[in-house]
Amino acid sequence: GNSVTQMEGPVTLSEEAFLTINCTYTATGYPSLFWYVQYPGEGLQLLLKATKADDKGSNKGFEATYRKETTSFHLEKGSVQVSDSAVYFCALSPHQAGTALIFGKGTTLSVSS
Amino acid sequence: KAGVTQTPRYLIKTRGQQVTLSCSPISGHRSVSWYQQTPGQGLQFLFEYFSETQRNKGNFPGRFSGRQFSNSRSEMNVSTLELGDSALYLCASSLGQGSNSPGQFFGPGTRLTVL
Repeated sequence: GNSVTQMEGPVTLSEEAFLTINCTYTATGYPSLFWYVQYPGEGLQLLLKATKADDKGSNKGFEATYRKETTSFHLEKGSVQVSDSAVYFCALSPHQAGTALIFGKGTTLSVSS
Repeated sequence: KAGVTQTPRYLIKTRGQQVTLSCSPISGHRSVSWYQQTPGQGLQFLFEYFSETQRNKGNFPGRFSGRQFSNSRSEMNVSTLELGDSALYLCASSLGQGSNSPGQFFGPGTRLTVL
């Protein structure tokens, strides 16, 4: 079946530190991969996506590369800010009719100044 | 463009009752998906509707049902509520064109509490 595994949190960093949140997946076929972010008190927002192997999604300084050989889609940012504190969700959408998302458990990021 | 709207935002029910939640997608979006978010299980897919037809279904009991209207608005219904149904229910809309879609856009959710 399809599943997503994210690193357990919380992740606590100082401002300007380098961020990596690991995400691996299990899927039949070639899924699309996503990172969503949920800021405190707000709804889920799409952060970035990649639809095929070796694609790199990027947005707001965040990047993730679709690695088919390692079935991974790790989220990275070179220099985090306090405003990046949120819960980050890795998700996949199987390549079949429909847009259902399978989510990881989420990783809480806390950035202090 | 207005975003995804969900009503009501908060709901308190007692065990055994039933509840109906509503979702209005972004204008032009034909796909509506529903998710349940709980601290223990995280975000779980309930079902997806596209052009008034259920296209995908998650692993939830038959007490959970939904429908979509011709204007793409969707409702989900939970019958015979259980304490474990307490959760944030999220609705997401998209163009529904698979991997080429810009992705799903989520509403703020309906917080359901079952007493």
